[in-house]
This record gives sequence, C-alpha cells and structure tokens, in this order.
Amino acid sequence: GDQVEQSPSALSLHEGTGSALRCNFTTTMRAVQWFRKNSRGSLINLFYLASGTKENGRLKSAFDSKERYSTLHIRDAQLEDSGTYFCAVSNMGYKLTFGTGTSLLVDP
Amino acid sequence: EAAVTQSPRNKVAVTGGKVTLSCNQTNNHNNMYWYRQDTGHGLRLIHYSYGAGSTEKGDIPDGYKASRPSQENFSLILELATPSQTSVYFCASGEGQPYEQYFGPGTRLTVL
Repeated sequence: GDQVEQSPSALSLHEGTGSALRCNFTTTMRAVQWFRKNSRGSLINLFYLASGTKENGRLKSAFDSKERYSTLHIRDAQLEDSGTYFCAVSNMGYKLTFGTGTSLLVDP
Repeated sequence: EAAVTQSPRNKVAVTGGKVTLSCNQTNNHNNMYWYRQDTGHGLRLIHYSYGAGSTEKGDIPDGYKASRPSQENFSLILELATPSQTSVYFCASGEGQPYEQYFGPGTRLTVL
C-alpha cells in the first residue's frame, strides 16, 4: 500500500529558531494536508496543497508531486508551536494516508 | 464556528461495555470518516461513509461498527469495548478532488 514517511520523528527547537519537516511518499499523490495535534489533543488543519507552496504566518509548506515529497517550514518558533505534526496525502480516491508524525518541542 | 464536532470529548468505559462516539458536521459534506490515533502512529481509518445510510470498512474496522443516520451525523460504536481500544478518536468530513478533509477536535477514550 501507499507509504508515507515523516522526518525527523522528533525535533527540539529553541524559541526564535526554525527548521523544516519533511514528508516523503512512495507513489504519486495529488494533494497533501498538514496538521498539528496540540497539547489538548485537537487536530489543527494547517495547510492543504494540490501544488506549489503556501505560507501562513511563520509557517510555509511546499508540495512536489513529481518528486514525491512535501515540506513544512517553521520560522521564529514559539512555545505554542509545540505538538505533533502530521502530513496526510491523497490520490484519486477519498482516502487520506497519514504519516507517523513529527513530535516538536519548542523550549525557551 | 466549529464545523465538525464530537461528543463526548472524554470517555472512560469498562471492558465489555458498549460505547458510542458521536460526530456532527455542518459542512454538508457527503463523506465522513472515523480514525483513531495512537502514539507512534499516524491516524488510521476505521470506518467511513459516502452519505446517509452508507458505511464502509476502513483499514482497521475489527471491533467497531458505524452508523450514518443522516448527512450530518456519523457514529462509531464499540459493542464490546476492550482495553486495546483505548485511543484518541477523530471524526472528519471531506469533499473535493483532490481531496481535503476537515477534522473534529477528537475524543479521548479510555477502556479500563
């Protein structure tokens, strides 16, 4: 079946710094979604991309269907950015396939 | 205003008991989904629905049933709850090609 790998599995950042999370998939996908699961357990929808890049505040995401990856860049990290970040990809059907997540901890 | 809501938000059940998790969406989407999320795993699909009256098995349906009585409501039913079903459950609705899903806030279920 479709495989979705996220890296790194865990990441620690100091406040004010930044990094990139990566989502690789084994087959061509038509869209990607990025989510953050926060400390209360809620799943926050960050981005939906069918191509190109999107930016929202300190977050920026890119999707390359041909090269089979997506990235989520975080800049000027804040304490409230801590949580687990999931990517999920979709193809022709109605099914999302999720990665196993990146656990991000932002410390002062 | 939240378009996908779940109830209860937290539930403690006993082994062998019946548990019903409810989901309501105001997006008017045909498709709805139930997932569970466990530490070290992404979200895994349990059941989904294409519309009122339809339910389909997802990737891990064993031990779960689903009910879609209306466009807005989709329930997940654990007839005989087991401790292995302790998890966080997410409901979603979705539409569009390529596909996008919208998630509820999650239900934390503990089976003792």
